[in-house]
Parts: sequence; C-alpha cells; structure tokens
Amino acid sequence: EVHLVESGGGLVQPGGSLRLSCAASGFTFSSYWMNWVRQAPGKGLEWVANIKPDGTEKYYVDSVKGRFTISRDNAKNSLYLEMNSLRAEDTAVYYCERSGPPYRNWGQGTLVTVSS
Amino acid sequence: DIVMTQSPDSLAVSLGERATINCKSSQSVLYSADNKSYLAWYQQKPGQPPKLLIYWASTRESGVPDRFSGSGSGTDFTLTISSLQAEDVAVYSCQQYYSTPPTFGQGTKLEIK
Repeated sequence: EVHLVESGGGLVQPGGSLRLSCAASGFTFSSYWMNWVRQAPGKGLEWVANIKPDGTEKYYVDSVKGRFTISRDNAKNSLYLEMNSLRAEDTAVYYCERSGPPYRNWGQGTLVTVSS
Repeated sequence: DIVMTQSPDSLAVSLGERATINCKSSQSVLYSADNKSYLAWYQQKPGQPPKLLIYWASTRESGVPDRFSGSGSGTDFTLTISSLQAEDVAVYSCQQYYSTPPTFGQGTKLEIK
C-alpha cells in the first residue's frame, strides 16, 4: 500500500524559509515521478512542482519559480520541498503525491503558515 | 495556463436525488492522437486529502461507487451523482492534465438539502 507522510510545516515569517519532507513507503520510490500540490485555506488545489524519478528533471508552477526547489533522495525514499522567500500567499496545506496526474496517491498534508 | 471554471460554487440536493456539477476549460483538453479528454474529478472531505473519482473524463477509479459518473469532451464536462448519499457531502473539483501546469477548478461544495 502506498504511504506518504509529509512533515516540516509550521509558522514562518514573510521572507523566511522552510523545508518540507515527504517519507514514502509501500512502493519502489525511485521508479516514480513525485509531485507537491498545495491548497490555501478555503481555496482550490494548486500543483506546485514535480520531479523525475532520477531527479534530473524538475518543473514548477510560475508563482514559485526561483523560490522553491524540489528534490529527492531515493536512498532514503524521501521527497523534499525547499521553500525560500516565503510570502503570505504561500500559506497552504502542502501535499506530496505519487506519479500523477491524475493524482491518486496523496499524503495527509502539512500546513505552512506565512505570517508575522 | 488552462483555466478551469466550475459551476455552481455550491449545491444543495436532497438525499436520493441527482446532483450535477459542471466544469469548463478555457481551451480543449481533448488530445486528438488518442481521442481522450485529459480531465479528472476529485472529492475532498474536510481535513482529508482529495480522492480521485474519475479520470479521462469518464473512467471511474477503482472502488468508486457507480452512482458517480463523468461525461463530456473537449471543453465542457459534467460530474453526476445519480442518487445522493449522506457520505457524498464534500467539495468536488475538476482538473485538467492536458498541459503543464495541471490546473484545477475552484471547487463545488455539495450539501444535503
């Protein structure tokens, strides 16, 4: 069974940084594209970034380009999202997801709040 | 980017009645090479991640009750719940995965009347 557990969320001031992690189990992590998808409070879903199985290709939504970096460690079955220069509009629950779209395997999410 | 617009924003339906949610894309998400519409529907209950219901516009995900159905092609799509159950109260969202970035509708909140 696919199991994804996000961590690393919390309260951070505008302009600050945060690193999210996603621990994967139940499948061969190194064989799958991985995604980060976020949802601002009371808002719709937004795809943030994805990464190829070997980490050689990465794609981002325009609003986070240059500020967020997706990475992975296949030896540790882990996905990461390094978030810098955080803004209030980055406040959201961040989900990791395996191999979509369509998105069928989600973690429970971790909340990031950007506020002074 | 392709913009996905759902209607209505909220909907109240009686138990056992039909619920219909619409989704319109700003450009076609039908890929001519395989004649598939790259459109998915999700259900999200409070405090939970989304759950995939429908993909390729009309293919039901494994384990999803057959009261859920998807239809449409090109730019106009519909999610139908044939007989509303209490456990169907949720927010429903459409998503296109025809082009990057994949984009979602704003969501439709479904309640019991």
